[in-house]
Amino acid sequence: QKEVEQNSGPLSVPEGAIASLNCTYSDRGSQSFFWYRQYSGKSPELIMFIYSNGDKEDGRFTAQLNKASQYVSLLIRDSQPSDSATYLCAVNEGGGSNYKLTFGKGTLLTVNP
Amino acid sequence: DADVTQTPRNRITKTGKRIMLECSQTKGHDRMYWYRQDPGLGLQLIYYSFDVKDINKGEISDGYSVSRQAQAKFSLSLESAIPNQTALYFCATSDSRRADTQYFGPGTRLTVL
Repeated sequence: QKEVEQNSGPLSVPEGAIASLNCTYSDRGSQSFFWYRQYSGKSPELIMFIYSNGDKEDGRFTAQLNKASQYVSLLIRDSQPSDSATYLCAVNEGGGSNYKLTFGKGTLLTVNP
Repeated sequence: DADVTQTPRNRITKTGKRIMLECSQTKGHDRMYWYRQDPGLGLQLIYYSFDVKDINKGEISDGYSVSRQAQAKFSLSLESAIPNQTALYFCATSDSRRADTQYFGPGTRLTVL
């Protein structure tokens, strides 16, 4: 069974620090990788996606992908208390254009003022 | 108005009852999904539909059925609810032309007593 693994946390960082969230996946054929943010009691919202090895930056967020190691990470620079949420890693297992996502269990991030 | 709506938002029911959760979207997306989320767990895919005539089982479809009444509507039914179906249910949509992004509804909190 295809799996997506994340540290459950909680991960606690001080305001202004870099938060590093990690994810590993089991399916070597996976092509697309996503990070969702979910506030308590709310629905997930997409914050980043990445397809190619290397880094992808969007504002304070950087996604990093290493397909050889089957590893994807999310860095949040200058962390703010409003970043406190659960971060879900998701991997496309469908291949091609059949996007069907497998989600990790999420990492709870707490940013302390 | 929200692009993806779910009704009801909260529901308490009894074991053995039939219940339907409804999802509607105004995004014009062709693909729709139903997930459930349990505390401390990630999102698990129940059913997905890539168009009105295409419905597929996800990883946890037992005990559930779906109906895609129109491109904009996708309903999830529990024929005979049981307590371990108590969970938070999310509907999501995506556009096959831009299938990299799934948009989630606000969720339905279901309690089966």
